[in-house]
Amino acid sequence: NAGVTQTPKFQVLKTGQSMTLQCAQDMNHEYMSWYRQDPGMGLRLIHYSVGAGITDQGEVPNGYNVSRSTTEDFPLRLLSAAPSQTSVYFCASSYGYYYEQYFGPGTRLTVT
Amino acid sequence: AQTVTQSQPEMSVQEAETVTLSCTYDTSESNYYLFWYKQPPSRQMILVIRQEAYKQQNATENRFSVNFQKAAKSFSLKISDSQLGDTAMYFCAFMSGTSGTYKYIFGTGTRLKVLA
Repeated sequence: NAGVTQTPKFQVLKTGQSMTLQCAQDMNHEYMSWYRQDPGMGLRLIHYSVGAGITDQGEVPNGYNVSRSTTEDFPLRLLSAAPSQTSVYFCASSYGYYYEQYFGPGTRLTVT
Repeated sequence: AQTVTQSQPEMSVQEAETVTLSCTYDTSESNYYLFWYKQPPSRQMILVIRQEAYKQQNATENRFSVNFQKAAKSFSLKISDSQLGDTAMYFCAFMSGTSGTYKYIFGTGTRLKVLA
């Protein structure tokens, strides 16, 4: 199993550009989440999904959009990038919401 | 709102010794789960240990154990026989899924350095 994969590993955007961070898992997990990690702030939940077709907002959803058309994929869209979105983004999946989360390797995003 | 506090930004320990990382949380919910995750320099997040709030028995996983004090809302991690590979950021996390809302709150982390 590849586990949780994320692409790209690094990305530089200009303010106002849009892009999609890809996340896929091959463990047939129903729960998937997106986090951002900023220095001194730990990880903060952006959006999550409890199954295909079902998504909800986390703690810091503004400026991000998600959809879940399949169990495997959970892309995160930045609609109009801002310097405040410079961060490391992690995707995670789990069998159930109270089980261990498996994390992807992260995407380092810089917005200039 | 739930909060998770890790009051030790950095700690160090000699190899083979024991170290305890502290974590406190605040919640009004009765059913929740607590986790410790490790993030080594590779950036990969790895689960260390998990505790269900309804269980009084403290979770253990090899050299890792927790001291879960529900009334005090405290969830500390003890690492015994510390190894160089334990050098990492350690995050405490709170999770609840009541009322169909999924909350996963991380603390700000403790950077642990194991010294040879």
